[in-house]
Amino acid sequence: DIVMTQSPDSLAVSLGERATINCKSSQSVFYDSNKKDYLAWYQQKPGLPPKLLIYWASTRESGVPDRFSGSGSGTDFTLTISSLQAEDVAIYYCHQYYAVPLTFGGGTKVDI
Amino acid sequence: EVRLVESGGDLVQPGGSLRLSCEASAFMFNSNGMHWVRQAPGKGLECVSAISKDGKDVFYADSVRGRFTISRDDSENRLYLQMASLRPEDTAIYYCARGPNPTGSYYSWFDSWGQGTLVIVSS
Repeated sequence: DIVMTQSPDSLAVSLGERATINCKSSQSVFYDSNKKDYLAWYQQKPGLPPKLLIYWASTRESGVPDRFSGSGSGTDFTLTISSLQAEDVAIYYCHQYYAVPLTFGGGTKVDI
Repeated sequence: EVRLVESGGDLVQPGGSLRLSCEASAFMFNSNGMHWVRQAPGKGLECVSAISKDGKDVFYADSVRGRFTISRDDSENRLYLQMASLRPEDTAIYYCARGPNPTGSYYSWFDSWGQGTLVIVSS
């Protein structure tokens, strides 16, 4: 199984400041034939299902604010919130869909 | 707007069975791989089972293989998860999720999620 390790477990960021979440996979999730990284990011608020933010490591889902961005390749990935807003308080998960079982990171809780 | 609505969650005794259902609407159901993802109380996300768009390929997590069966009825736009020999560790919210990978395989991110249905396994 591909193990996804997120860091930190939690972080507190001031409003308007940058938040950076890291995700490391135990093996590469880069598929050479199509040159894509099989990595997504989700946001989950209490009592709600996860919401897709990013897929293919850096493609923002339609409707997601551009303060959210994804970067990285291979085994190391980053989700950046460029200017934290109050509504961004949530738990964030990375997810690899390169191999079964599809696996998630343990989550990073972002607070103000 | 894509809509996924799960049902069938309940309180069940260990060793019991349940069938979860997910009703899909507002998209071409038979063009997408579909998934069941669960979340134990206060815990992270686990992909439990998946099915390709044509139903020929299915996946089960080791934790449920041999006990759970995924299926789909494209004529009814429904996804199912038949759960048997339930254990306390199966207690979780079960989400139905759509995998939009254009190939229709289950190697996909999840772009739409239902609100979930709660399964509690306890005596």
